[in-house]
Amino acid sequence: GQQLNQSPQSMFIQEGEDVSMNCTSSSIFNTWLWYKQDPGEGPVLLIALYKAGELTSNGRLTAQFGITRKDSFLNISASIPSDVGIYFCAGFGNQGGKLIFGQGTELSVKP
Amino acid sequence: NAGVMQNPRHLVRRRGQEARLRCSPMKGHSHVYWYRQLPEEGLKFMVYLQKENIIDESGMPKERFSAEFPKEGPSILRIQQVVRGDSAAYFCASSPLTNTGELFFGEGSRLTVL
Repeated sequence: GQQLNQSPQSMFIQEGEDVSMNCTSSSIFNTWLWYKQDPGEGPVLLIALYKAGELTSNGRLTAQFGITRKDSFLNISASIPSDVGIYFCAGFGNQGGKLIFGQGTELSVKP
Repeated sequence: NAGVMQNPRHLVRRRGQEARLRCSPMKGHSHVYWYRQLPEEGLKFMVYLQKENIIDESGMPKERFSAEFPKEGPSILRIQQVVRGDSAAYFCASSPLTNTGELFFGEGSRLTVL
């Protein structure tokens, strides 16, 4: 099936550092989304992007929908311990109603 | 709390038994999705349903797995004759009538097959 390639697979950073992760696809999507999953919980939507080139912020999070519609990145500024978790990119709109997820980026933040 | 409700949260089955996982979508949501997550892996799409209709089951294994979303009651994911490889977290998500890709996930059902 279709895959989204998400990198890096894991990150270990110091509290206060900025973080960047990205996602690429061989196919075009109409919508890119970023979710966060805490241990033992379901994913929670962080940011949704609907237009190519769109740059959207949500607090310390910033995400962009690539101009080619085949990629997206997520930045987290001034990381804090509660940012720990797994971040998933997801693409929507080129396979009916289903959402396709990347493999995830596991973030660890050292206080 | 009007979020997506899944039960049971944890289920243990022996090989060959049946597993039934239930999902009640958020109030007002008419689309339900099931995803499977293996340890250390991402979420794999299984099935997309609306009331009384299976819209897309392209991610469902051909045998032993079935899903329904009846007119009344929760959506059910049923796994017959479970094997150890079925051990995983199964997540249900729902979305409103206008599907934009913004899904609301439940907390998952963790199946362990002994």
